[in-house]
Amino acid sequence: ETVLTQSPGTLSLSPGERATLSCRASQSVSDNFLSWYQQKPGQAPGLLIYGASSRATGIPDRFSGSGSGTDFTLTISRLEPEDFAVYYCLVFGSSGKYTFGRGTKLEIK
Amino acid sequence: QVQVVQSGAEVKKPGASVKVSCKASGDTFTRPLFHWVRQAPGQGLEWMGVVNPSDGATNYAQKFQGRVTMTRDTSTTTVYMELSSLRSEDTAVYFCTREYRTASYYFDSWGQGTPVTVSS
Repeated sequence: ETVLTQSPGTLSLSPGERATLSCRASQSVSDNFLSWYQQKPGQAPGLLIYGASSRATGIPDRFSGSGSGTDFTLTISRLEPEDFAVYYCLVFGSSGKYTFGRGTKLEIK
Repeated sequence: QVQVVQSGAEVKKPGASVKVSCKASGDTFTRPLFHWVRQAPGQGLEWMGVVNPSDGATNYAQKFQGRVTMTRDTSTTTVYMELSSLRSEDTAVYFCTREYRTASYYFDSWGQGTPVTVSS
């Protein structure tokens, strides 16, 4: 089973700053199988990035995904107030099963 | 636009079973896959398993093997998740989510979530 480690657990930043969130896999994964989600309190998660670097429909271009192999990154270039939320990465593993990372909470400093 | 609408909140006693439904509309029902994800209070997301509406095939997370059953009804475009032998640790919000599998694998539509409370 592929384990995803997200860091940091909590990231405290101010609006306008740049956010860099990490997702590390315990074994190499295909870019096609790595996606990122945003979840706000009381809401269902929403798709941000798929295929490691492709933005989902309607996602602003301040969000970008990068990486390959075992190391993936979600970057938010200039934080807007609505970006403060919890972010999860998700991977499809070789056993046909999915695994989420534990999440990174992005909070206002 | 695909919509995924789940059944309402449930309260169950320990040892009981719960069955949550998820109705999909707006697209071909048998083409996507439907997954179940849960979130305990204050915790992260946990993948439970997947059902393929075209043939009923399932794949469950090891943790839930033997306790979870995912099914589908093509006549009503609804998928179901039944969890048995409930315990307090199963108190969570259960989400149904759709995967329209192409070259990339991801969940593009989510239900609103169904809170399940297990309490004596």
